[in-house]
Amino acid sequence: QAVLTQPASLSASPGASASLTCTLRSGINVGTYRIYWYQQKPGSPPQYLLRYKSDSDNQQGSGVPSRFSGSKDASANAGILLISGLQSEDEADYYCMTWHNSAWVFGGGTKVTVL
Amino acid sequence: EVQLLESGGGLVQPGGSLRLSCAASGFTFSNYAMNWVRQAPGKGLEWVSIISGSRTFYADSVKGRFTISRDNSKDTLYLQMNNLRAEDTAVYYCASSSCSTTTCEGFYGMDVWGQGTTVTVSS
Repeated sequence: QAVLTQPASLSASPGASASLTCTLRSGINVGTYRIYWYQQKPGSPPQYLLRYKSDSDNQQGSGVPSRFSGSKDASANAGILLISGLQSEDEADYYCMTWHNSAWVFGGGTKVTVL
Repeated sequence: EVQLLESGGGLVQPGGSLRLSCAASGFTFSNYAMNWVRQAPGKGLEWVSIISGSRTFYADSVKGRFTISRDNSKDTLYLQMNNLRAEDTAVYYCASSSCSTTTCEGFYGMDVWGQGTTVTVSS
């Protein structure tokens, strides 16, 4: 079982909110991990969006709009990236990442389509 | 402006070697941990290696074949890749990580990324 699991795809309408999940493997407690989020558009390198561990330990990437926010769902053992007021330019692949067992680990990525 | 510029990619036969470079500018290179991350065609991101302070870490898939190093006097990061395999074919990105301690024994995730260099392993 992968350390981080993301749904392969998500579709939403312009102006809607999109909640992207990053589920940690059973036995790994999301509460103790910083979760990082990246956006990647075709033909471009990833762009850092934000990191989130708690309300007192988080960071927004430089120039990243506030409509991108991070949180956690402890009951689901997952990190969450919320995109509010979805725009056509938000159509991209989104990856979560964390440091686990002396290695950076990426989720498989979620392709967000803005309908 | 913070910038990372990779070079050294190309076509190499299986079993061959290649050295990638990443030239940094616009920030104090020695104060940051540095990473290599790769992306195979049509696939997701895969972390390769990080150098932070005096420590290095590697993904299991490259351990024993790849070596990360840096020359702070030249603001340059390197990745020596030996015994290359077809599955090493990917775009290789270098990316910087801010340190969370003064000695960079602790660090955060990647925040600035280069444009990438393509490595193709094929006969």
